[in-house]
Amino acid sequence: GIQVEQSPPDLILQEGANSTLRCNFSDSVNNLQWFHQNPWGQLINLFYIPSGTKQNGRLSATTVATERYSLLYISSSQTTDSGVYFCAVETGSRGSQGNLIFGKGTKLSVKP
Amino acid sequence: NAGVMQNPRHLVRRRGQEARLRCSPMKGHSHVYWYRQLPEEGLKFMVYLQKENIIDESGMPKERFSAEFPKEGPSILRIQQVVRGDSAAYFCASSPVGTGGTDTQYFGPGTRLTVL
Repeated sequence: GIQVEQSPPDLILQEGANSTLRCNFSDSVNNLQWFHQNPWGQLINLFYIPSGTKQNGRLSATTVATERYSLLYISSSQTTDSGVYFCAVETGSRGSQGNLIFGKGTKLSVKP
Repeated sequence: NAGVMQNPRHLVRRRGQEARLRCSPMKGHSHVYWYRQLPEEGLKFMVYLQKENIIDESGMPKERFSAEFPKEGPSILRIQQVVRGDSAAYFCASSPVGTGGTDTQYFGPGTRLTVL
């Protein structure tokens, strides 16, 4: 099955710093989503981005489908950005419709 | 427009008891997915349902676990005779369109199951 690898696994930033999180996947995808799991465990949708670039405030994401990777950019980080960031993909292949495959996440800690 | 709702948010069961987890999808969504997150791990797909149909249950353990999404009412994930290894966060997601993975899945707040 498809493999989803995220890097780095852990990241510590000073408030105000910028960061780039990476998601590599081993096969073509129909769906790619980025999520933020906050320290209370809630999963928050950030982007639905199977290809192209999107921006939402201090966050932006780019997926290069032909090269099988996606990047999540966080600018001017704040302590509230702390948590785990997950990338999840779906291939849409027969037998796996609706099946989001999650990476292991990047754990981000933003220090004041 | 309410999001995906799950209840209970926290559930404590003793070994051997049954756990029932409920999920109400977003309004207008007819596709429901269940995922499990073990401590310090990512989410793992369990089952994908539409109203009255199980579309993909490839991630469901073979025994003790079942899921349904009836014509009326919430989707239910049922775990019989729970064991300590079932302790996890169980997330439900919904989407308006499921086939081919062409739409966003929206996640509920999760149910945290603790088995004593």
